[in-house]
Amino acid sequence: AQSVAQPEDQVNVAEGNPLTVKCTYSVSGNPYLFWYVQYPNRGLQFLLKYITGDNLVKGSYGFEAEFNKSQTSFHLKKPSALVSDSALYFCAVRDPMGGNLGRLYFGRGTQLTVWP
Amino acid sequence: DTGVSQDPRHKITKRGQNVTFRCDPISEHNRLYWYRQTLGQGPEFLTYFQNEAQLEKSRLLSDRFSAERPKGSFSTLEIQRTEQGDSAMYLCASSSGTWTFFGQGTRLTVV
Repeated sequence: AQSVAQPEDQVNVAEGNPLTVKCTYSVSGNPYLFWYVQYPNRGLQFLLKYITGDNLVKGSYGFEAEFNKSQTSFHLKKPSALVSDSALYFCAVRDPMGGNLGRLYFGRGTQLTVWP
Repeated sequence: DTGVSQDPRHKITKRGQNVTFRCDPISEHNRLYWYRQTLGQGPEFLTYFQNEAQLEKSRLLSDRFSAERPKGSFSTLEIQRTEQGDSAMYLCASSSGTWTFFGQGTRLTVV
């Protein structure tokens, strides 16, 4: 069965410091991995995805994520956090071998707070 | 605006009433999904359409829930005899392949 774990409900970081939001996954076969961000009372905005190729993926707003197959992880990172990055972040996985044709499985989300 | 749009953005209803939500996907996307998000949880899959065909329904989708996508364009999600447990954000998404885009969601509050 496909699943995603985000072990931290909250991450707090000072502006200008690097940030990491953790994600581990479980899926049969090679996964498609995604990060989405959600601002209050808004839908999900796509940040980045990993399908194949380079393990370091660069996305929107200066975010990047590193795919680690041996650790089944896909942690989201940013070298220098901004107060405006404060939001709810979701990791998601899609099983390309499944019959669900694009269904995404989400983690519970991690609330990122960047303080000035 | 060429993104996924949902209407209404907010809905407050009394328990026992029926509600209907609408989703307009990105026009060239043939895949459409409905998800439900409750407080403190990630979005959970409800149902999936490819064009006008509903190909999968989650066990979360009880008999009180029905979704349609006539003509493979917009979709509606109806909840009959609403219960307080139905209070959630209902998210629609569309995709043409590996990219999935979400709408702003409809927040339902059942009082």
